[in-house]
Amino acid sequence: AQKVTQAQTEISVVEKEDVTLDCVYETRDTTYYLFWYKQPPSGELVFLIRRNSFDEQNEISGRYSWNFQKSTSSFNFTITASQVVDSAVYFCALSKRGTYKYIFGTGTRLKVLA
Amino acid sequence: NAGVTQTPKFQVLKTGQSMTLQCAQDMNHEYMSWYRQDPGMGLRLIHYSVGAGITDQGEVPNGYNVSRSTTEDFPLRLLSAAPSQTSVYFCASNPRQDTEAFFGQGTRLTVV
Repeated sequence: AQKVTQAQTEISVVEKEDVTLDCVYETRDTTYYLFWYKQPPSGELVFLIRRNSFDEQNEISGRYSWNFQKSTSSFNFTITASQVVDSAVYFCALSKRGTYKYIFGTGTRLKVLA
Repeated sequence: NAGVTQTPKFQVLKTGQSMTLQCAQDMNHEYMSWYRQDPGMGLRLIHYSVGAGITDQGEVPNGYNVSRSTTEDFPLRLLSAAPSQTSVYFCASNPRQDTEAFFGQGTRLTVV
């Protein structure tokens, strides 16, 4: 069975602090995909990143970076120098190769205080 | 390019009423799906379709019906609304397998 755990329900940081959102997954598949989505207060879901299980290279995009470690089944997301606009709920998701179905974590609400 | 469009954005139903949540996409995506989002539970898959005429159940299909007569449209029907169906519903589409999904703006449904 597949499962995604986001143990941090809510995190509050002060602007300009760095923050890491944790994502731990379970799967028996050798090929799978991991995703992060952002849900701002307006409610829509915004795609941030997709990573396949064979690519453990870390990714950096501006203030965002992702650390994928198969050994610990984790796909953590770090925001550097957080801003108020980063306040949102962030979801980690997992999908099996060859499918269109996602297993979502329960989300982490990030509050960035000015 | 509108992407994925859901209507209505908000809806209040009485217990036992039926209604259809509309979803349309203009990206010619074969795969479409419906999720519900509940507090503390993330998003859960209700039904999905891999092409016109083909639908299948997801994780929480009870109380919902879908059909896919065209590539563009994927309506979700609530047969007899129950308070447990109070949720935010998202429609999504994917261009291919193993890709990210494009989500609609969501429909907030309250059943009283």
